Amino acid sequence: DQQVKQNSPSLSVQEGRISILNCDYTNSMFDYFLWYKKYPAEGPTFLISISSIKDKNEDGRFTVFLNKSAKHLSLHIVPSQPGDSAVYFCAAKIGGGADGLTFGKGTHLIIQP
Amino acid sequence: GAVVSQHPSWVICKSGTSVKIECRSLDFQATTMFWYRQFPKQSLMLMATSNEGSKATYEQGVEKDKFLINHASLTLSTLTVTSAHPEDSSFYICSANQGQSNQPQHFGDGTRLSIL
Repeated sequence: DQQVKQNSPSLSVQEGRISILNCDYTNSMFDYFLWYKKYPAEGPTFLISISSIKDKNEDGRFTVFLNKSAKHLSLHIVPSQPGDSAVYFCAAKIGGGADGLTFGKGTHLIIQP
Repeated sequence: GAVVSQHPSWVICKSGTSVKIECRSLDFQATTMFWYRQFPKQSLMLMATSNEGSKATYEQGVEKDKFLINHASLTLSTLTVTSAHPEDSSFYICSANQGQSNQPQHFGDGTRLSIL
């Protein structure tokens, strides 16, 4: 049973426009959420995170929004750049302890020039 | 930034062979490391949590005798796939927390394991 879902396997966005990647979760115990970016043949690189006590976190071009009632989060990238083309993984965990992450299947973002 | 190194990056071996994968935190100490596995077009699945100086904690469905984990120091955890078979072929990746446990995990580049 997939507790973290990324329903869009791929997304194509024009350079300069906004990219919006979505993620849904089913486990209401999750209270810390992260987005990772992955290039081929490399490990995931941490992008941005959000705690369940917040509904928005912003870092430069990246903003993560959390809607707890809908169990939904999204990553906004604006403006999108060619180097943003990668696979983006949504991940979640329970509590602030040293626990492993539960990942979605990823969304392949393609930025078109 | 925090760097996690994983070695080897790619292994091809015969069925029945045991394969050891190393995960090192290069510029920080990690009391906890994590091992994940990813099948094609699937998400990264947590296999086990590796704790320095104690036994690893395995996720449900992961055979501890099949996937031996050793975390002998604060900078090194190893995963040994014992008597590997073709169904063990996968992408194995480790991660570690830097500093406080609520900090983001940093990942190695993964190991592509192919069992013939």
